[in-house]
Amino acid sequence: GIQVEQSPPDLILQEGANSTLRCNFSDSVNNLQWFHQNPWGQLINLFYIPSGTKQNGRLSATTVATERYSLLYISSSQTTDSGVYFCAVASGGGADGLTFGKGTHLIIQP
Amino acid sequence: DAGVIQSPRHEVTEMGQEVTLRCKPISGHNSLFWYRQTMMRGLELLIYFNNNVPIDDSGMPEDRFSAKMPNASFSTLKIQPSEPRDSAVYFCASSPSQGLSDTQYFGPGTRLTVL
Repeated sequence: GIQVEQSPPDLILQEGANSTLRCNFSDSVNNLQWFHQNPWGQLINLFYIPSGTKQNGRLSATTVATERYSLLYISSSQTTDSGVYFCAVASGGGADGLTFGKGTHLIIQP
Repeated sequence: DAGVIQSPRHEVTEMGQEVTLRCKPISGHNSLFWYRQTMMRGLELLIYFNNNVPIDDSGMPEDRFSAKMPNASFSTLKIQPSEPRDSAVYFCASSPSQGLSDTQYFGPGTRLTVL
């Protein structure tokens, strides 16, 4: 099956800093999503981005499908950005189950 | 929209008991997914349905696990008999699919503890 690797595994930053999270995947995909799991365990959908670039406020994401990686950018970090960020992909046609990476654990210190 | 609804939110049971987890997908969504999250294995797909039909159940760990989707508004995941190693957070997700978008939206999860 498809493999998903995320880096870094852990990241500690001061409030206001910028960060880049990376997701590498081993095969072509037709679905790629970024999620934020908050301290209460909820999985919040950030982006659906199998290719191209999207922005939502302080967050943006870019997927280069031909090179099999995606990047999540967080600018001007806030303490509420803390949590685990997951990249998940699917390679089947149509609706298909997601394969998750192990996540990046982000801690934003005040 | 109420989002994906799961019940119960927390379940504590004893080994050997039957456990039933419930999920109501977002209205109009055609695909439904069950995932499990543990510290050791992370987030993994158990089974998914398209238009109420099970498509891939290769992630179901063993015969003790079963899932049904009797209609477009309801799905269950049953564990019988339960074992301590089944302790995990179980997530349900739904997706509109049909070529419009494959974005999956997750419910709040059910935290299962088997003693």
